[in-house]
Amino acid sequence: GENVEQHPSTLSVQEGDSAVIKCTYSDSASNYFPWYKQELGKRPQLIIDIRSNVGEKKDQRIAVTLNKTAKHFSLHITETQPEDSAVYFCAARGQAGTALIFGKGTTLSVSS
Amino acid sequence: GAVVSQHPSRVICKSGTSVKIECRSLDFQATTMFWYRQFPKQSLMLMATSNEGSKATYEQGVEKDKFLINHASLTLSTLTVTSAHPEDSSFYICSASVSEWPYTEAFFGQGTRLTVV
Repeated sequence: GENVEQHPSTLSVQEGDSAVIKCTYSDSASNYFPWYKQELGKRPQLIIDIRSNVGEKKDQRIAVTLNKTAKHFSLHITETQPEDSAVYFCAARGQAGTALIFGKGTTLSVSS
Repeated sequence: GAVVSQHPSRVICKSGTSVKIECRSLDFQATTMFWYRQFPKQSLMLMATSNEGSKATYEQGVEKDKFLINHASLTLSTLTVTSAHPEDSSFYICSASVSEWPYTEAFFGQGTRLTVV
């Protein structure tokens, strides 16, 4: 089955800096790669996602890149703000209707 | 986006008792729902796939007799933790998605914080 690795586990940046979180996946059939932000005790919140037919997607300060050949995808947050501090999870999924498999998460801390 | 509602949000039960958690898709039909468990400071771990009208598929290491899943309708899946023990204390969260391509986003319930005392 699918296995998703996520790095780093913790990331500390200064306000205004960029943050990059990287994930790799094992199943070449996976075609959907979302990123979630999760606050303690709450459901994951989708922040951006990308499908396998796209190499890059951007939404304001957030971007995701996908390298299908290398089977890795990354989350890029620019101009970080203290409110970006949270736990971020990457995930991967095969065909529609199958389960998301999550990475272990990255705790991002943005200090002002 | 679509709405998935999970109930209860918090439950405390005594060791040895059973607890039922409900997951409902409010504005779409979900032939498949997924149950995850999340321990503190850890990731969401897939427990099982709930299939409407058929048996659930459990991930390796998850006891099917302990975590009973019923998906009797296209909008409701239930997870029953039987004979609960303190080590079952965790955050349980369900997910569903519209199965047809190109719809891909998964929708999550609010989660259930289970504490077994």
